[in-house]
Amino acid sequence: AQSVAQPEDQVNVAEGNPLTVKCTYSVSGNPYLFWYVQYPNRGLQFLLKYITGDNLVKGSYGFEAEFNKSQTSFHLKKPSALVSDSALYFCAVRGLSGSARQLTFGSGTQLTVLP
Amino acid sequence: NAGVTQTPKFRVLKTGQSMTLLCAQDMNHEYMYWYRQDPGMGLRLIHYSVGEGTTAKGEVPDGYNVSRLKKQNFLLGLESAAPSQTSVYFCASSYGSGNLGTDTQYFGPGTRLTVL
Repeated sequence: AQSVAQPEDQVNVAEGNPLTVKCTYSVSGNPYLFWYVQYPNRGLQFLLKYITGDNLVKGSYGFEAEFNKSQTSFHLKKPSALVSDSALYFCAVRGLSGSARQLTFGSGTQLTVLP
Repeated sequence: NAGVTQTPKFRVLKTGQSMTLLCAQDMNHEYMYWYRQDPGMGLRLIHYSVGEGTTAKGEVPDGYNVSRLKKQNFLLGLESAAPSQTSVYFCASSYGSGNLGTDTQYFGPGTRLTVL
């Protein structure tokens, strides 16, 4: 069965500093990986995805994520955090067959950017 | 273009009552999904549909039923609500391309359900 782990429930970072939200995954075969963001009382918004090709994926709002196959990781990064980036972030993985074709989400990481 | 909309936004039920949550999308997406979100557990798939008239079970289907009579609508029903079904429910839809790896899901704003 496929799975996603987000080892940090909470990440705090000062505005202007770089941020990293960690994600590791387990899936049979090549993974399709996604990051979503959820602002308070809102639905999830798509940020970026890795399908194939370049290991560094660029997405919305200046976010990027680095795919590392050997470490089975897909960490979300941003060079300079903004207070408005404070939100709940979800990593998700999709496999290629059967029930694995559905998205499996991590438990989420609450990012707080301090002014 | 409203995207994915959900009705109602909030609801309080008593144990044993029934209700239906409505999801609508105007993006002509083939696939639709119902998730529940509980603290510390991320999103878990309840049921999904890969086209009009078809539905399938997800990870946590017990206690829920769904119907997809029209392509743009996906209904989630609770026949006899239980306190364990207190949660935030999200609907999503996706284009449903042949390569599911590239298929991005778009989410509605959610329905907060409390069962007393």
